[in-house]
Amino acid sequence: EAGVTQFPSHSVIEKGQTVTLRCDPISGHDNLYWYRRVMGKEIKFLLHFVKESKQDESGMPNNRFLAERTGGTYSTLKVQPAELEDSGVYFCASSQEGRTDGYTFGSGTRLTVV
Amino acid sequence: QKEVEQNSGPLSVPEGAIASLNCTYSDRGSQSFFWYRQYSGKSPELIMSIYSNGDKEDGRFTAQLNKASQYVSLLIRDSQPSDSATYLCAVKPQFYFGTGTSLTVIP
Repeated sequence: EAGVTQFPSHSVIEKGQTVTLRCDPISGHDNLYWYRRVMGKEIKFLLHFVKESKQDESGMPNNRFLAERTGGTYSTLKVQPAELEDSGVYFCASSQEGRTDGYTFGSGTRLTVV
Repeated sequence: QKEVEQNSGPLSVPEGAIASLNCTYSDRGSQSFFWYRQYSGKSPELIMSIYSNGDKEDGRFTAQLNKASQYVSLLIRDSQPSDSATYLCAVKPQFYFGTGTSLTVIP
C-alpha cells in the first residue's frame, strides 16, 4: 500500500510569490488533514477534509491560504502571496472514515520563503 | 495556555534504562490521546494511542493516561539508541500536538 505522498519535498520561493503544495492520501482514505510546523513550534492543525468537503478549517492562518480537494482524492494547499512567516514544514495526513486510531503522515514539504 | 504541553528536553538516558515522557493537556473533554515518534527530517509515526484511564502496553512502550489530572505519559523500557527521536503528544483526533520531547539514548 502506497503511503501518503507529498510534493514537492522542498520549495524555496521569494516573498510575494505563489506556491502550491500537493498531497496524495492513501487510496480509500476519506479523511485528509493538513498541518504545519514552524521552526521550534508545535505541529499545528490547518484543516480537515472529508472527501471533497472541508470539515474543519479553523486552523487556516489567513486568507492567503487556500486548500482544495477536488473529487475527494488528492489535495492542494496554495499560499498566495507567500510571506516570510509561512516558512515551515507542511505535513499532510490521511485516515479512513470512522477510524479513531492514528493517522498516516506524509513526509512533508519544507517551504522556505526568502 | 497551550492545548498540549510537553517538556522540550532534551532528555538523555543510558541504553537499557527507562525513558519517561510526559504530556499535559488543557481540554478536559479530550477523549483520544496519541504518541508519535519523529526522527530528524522524517514525518511523525504513530507509536501508541490510548483512550481510557490507566496503562496500555505495547512491547517496550507503555502509555499512561490520567484524565482527572489531564496528563498522559509514555514509558520506554530497555531504551535503545534507535529510540533516539522527538516524541510528540497529540490529543483529540490529533488536532493538537505538543512541541515534542527530544530523547537521546546513550549507548
